[in-house]
Amino acid sequence: AQSVAQPEDQVNVAEGNPLTVKCTYSVSGNPYLFWYVQYPNRGLQFLLKYITGDNLVKGSYGFEAEFNKSQTSFHLKKPSALVSDSALYFCAVRVQRGSGGYQKVTFGIGTKLQVIP
Amino acid sequence: EAQVTQNPRYLITVTGKKLTVTCSQNMNHEYMSWYRQDPGLGLRQIYYSMNVEVTDKGDVPEGYKVSRKEKRNFPLILESPSPNQTSLYFCASSLIQTSTDTQYFGPGTRLTVL
Repeated sequence: AQSVAQPEDQVNVAEGNPLTVKCTYSVSGNPYLFWYVQYPNRGLQFLLKYITGDNLVKGSYGFEAEFNKSQTSFHLKKPSALVSDSALYFCAVRVQRGSGGYQKVTFGIGTKLQVIP
Repeated sequence: EAQVTQNPRYLITVTGKKLTVTCSQNMNHEYMSWYRQDPGLGLRQIYYSMNVEVTDKGDVPEGYKVSRKEKRNFPLILESPSPNQTSLYFCASSLIQTSTDTQYFGPGTRLTVL
């Protein structure tokens, strides 16, 4: 069974400081990893994804994430946090099994990011 | 505009009264999925569909039904709702040429079952 862990319910960071939101995963096979953001009263929006290649992937709004295969982690980072980054962040893993089939997606429980002015 | 729409956005109902939440996408996506979001539990997949007439269970399918008669629509059916189905529901869609395609989410449906 595949799983995603986001060990922190909430992360607080001062505006202008770097931020990290942690994610670890467990899958059989090659993982495709995603980060989504949810603003209050909105649906989820895609931030970035890791498929293959460079371990550091860049996404929307200045976010980036680092894939670490040995630690099975995919932490979300941003060099300088903005108050407008305050939101709920979800890590997700997706694995395709067989030819075109069985596209199960597993999300973490979410981490609330609070950027303090 | 490319989008996933859900209706209704808010619904209060009573135990046992059948209801349907509709989901429609205009992006010609093959893959569609339903999730529920609960505090402390994150998003959990209820059902997903790889294409028309192809559906499969996610992690929490009990008490729900789906159908995929047309590519653009993927309704979620609660035949006999119970209070433990009170939740925030999201529909999502994506292409499936590979597993790498990102999902586009609808705005959510907040369901309360009394």
